[in-house]
Amino acid sequence: SYVLTQPPSVSVAPGKTARITCGGNNIGSKSVHWYQQKPGQAPVLVIYYDSDRPSGIPERFSGSNSGNTATLTISRVEAGDEADYYCQVWDSSSDHPLVFGGGTKLTVL
Amino acid sequence: QVQLVESGGGLVKPGGSLRLSCAASGFTFSDYYMSWIRQAPGKGLEWVSYISSSGSTIYYADSVKGRFTISRDNAKNSLYLQMNSLRAEDTAVYYCARAPRRQPHYFDYWGQGTLVTVSS
Repeated sequence: SYVLTQPPSVSVAPGKTARITCGGNNIGSKSVHWYQQKPGQAPVLVIYYDSDRPSGIPERFSGSNSGNTATLTISRVEAGDEADYYCQVWDSSSDHPLVFGGGTKLTVL
Repeated sequence: QVQLVESGGGLVKPGGSLRLSCAASGFTFSDYYMSWIRQAPGKGLEWVSYISSSGSTIYYADSVKGRFTISRDNAKNSLYLQMNSLRAEDTAVYYCARAPRRQPHYFDYWGQGTLVTVSS
């Protein structure tokens, strides 16, 4: 089945830009979705279809997807962005179409 | 507003059964695909099962296939997960989540989750 690989952790200083990657074989041919999860809370969708933002999500959150890597970019990082981030794809060629990455802990220094 | 409220979690012995429910409100439940997703303590998200709006299309993760059954009652605006032959590794918070109507390949709303603990 399809595998998504994320770095376990990313650290960034406030005001800087954080980039969280999600690797997969030819992931650029799939649509990637991103979720933010803060401790003790349910996940929240922050990016869908590679780069679209749901209403209420700040413009500081953006996404891209090409080749074997999708990237969630958070500009002007704030303390409140500290959370776990998960990428997800739908693998239409599989009997197990829903795949999550292992998650990345974003630490704001 | 969209609300998803899970219930039915608790402590169960290995080999036991549990039925989770997810009560939906604030949208036309029968129009949407739904899913169960779990998270073991300190671990990442794991997709469990997925059901189409009519219930005619269902998927299961290999880890639960043959033991768990997803179902829905559109008249009651409810999603269910019947869990049998439970194992310690099924211990997790179980979330129900809604997939958008036109492109049901991701999840735009999640419930707060219900904790299932499998232990003797």
